[in-house]
Amino acid sequence: NAGVMQNPRHLVRRRGQEARLRCSPMKGHSHVYWYRQLPEEGLKFMVYLQKENIIDESGMPKERFSAEFPKEGPSILRIQQVVRGDSAAYFCASSQGQGSQETQYFGPGTRLLVL
Amino acid sequence: KQEVTQIPAALSVPEGENLVLNCSFTDSAIYNLQWFRQDPGKGLTSLLLIQSSQREQTSGRLNASLDKSSGRSTLYIAASQPGDSATYLCAVNYGNNRLAFGKGNQVVVIP
Repeated sequence: NAGVMQNPRHLVRRRGQEARLRCSPMKGHSHVYWYRQLPEEGLKFMVYLQKENIIDESGMPKERFSAEFPKEGPSILRIQQVVRGDSAAYFCASSQGQGSQETQYFGPGTRLLVL
Repeated sequence: KQEVTQIPAALSVPEGENLVLNCSFTDSAIYNLQWFRQDPGKGLTSLLLIQSSQREQTSGRLNASLDKSSGRSTLYIAASQPGDSATYLCAVNYGNNRLAFGKGNQVVVIP
């Protein structure tokens, strides 16, 4: 049973380009969470999604960032017109349910570098 | 504000010594608390999860305690080994489906 998969593992973009980060949850998991880890900082919650629904996007920057989790395929975190401050590690986690007792399982992360 | 603090930020210990890592949180209304391990450039590996009704959890050489009233959790690693060198993250679940993380304790075990 494969764990949470993220790709690419490393992504380099120039300022102004778009970054698309993909996350495939564990088999049987329908809840996905995205976190961002800035250099020298802890992980910060960005968004929580279920299939075809955004449940909580309170941690998402207001502009340039969007996320989706379609009925088929992986969850996508999209960053438009990237800036140097977007350079960070982006982690995806998944859980089977949404209860407070549910464990979130983390992927290996995508490390984004904006030149 | 739900803040999570980990002290010390970094520490080095000789092999064989016990490790004590501290995590404090400002809001005691937690559902559970989880300790993770993160190796450089890698993802997060879950070590222990303590439910709010529990006082401690143990797995091998690892023991995590939870004191909700004082807003603290401690991770003990007995008889440390060089392979224990990593960053240890504390994450608090307040029941809103998002984890609040500390910045981590960066540990180096010296052979």
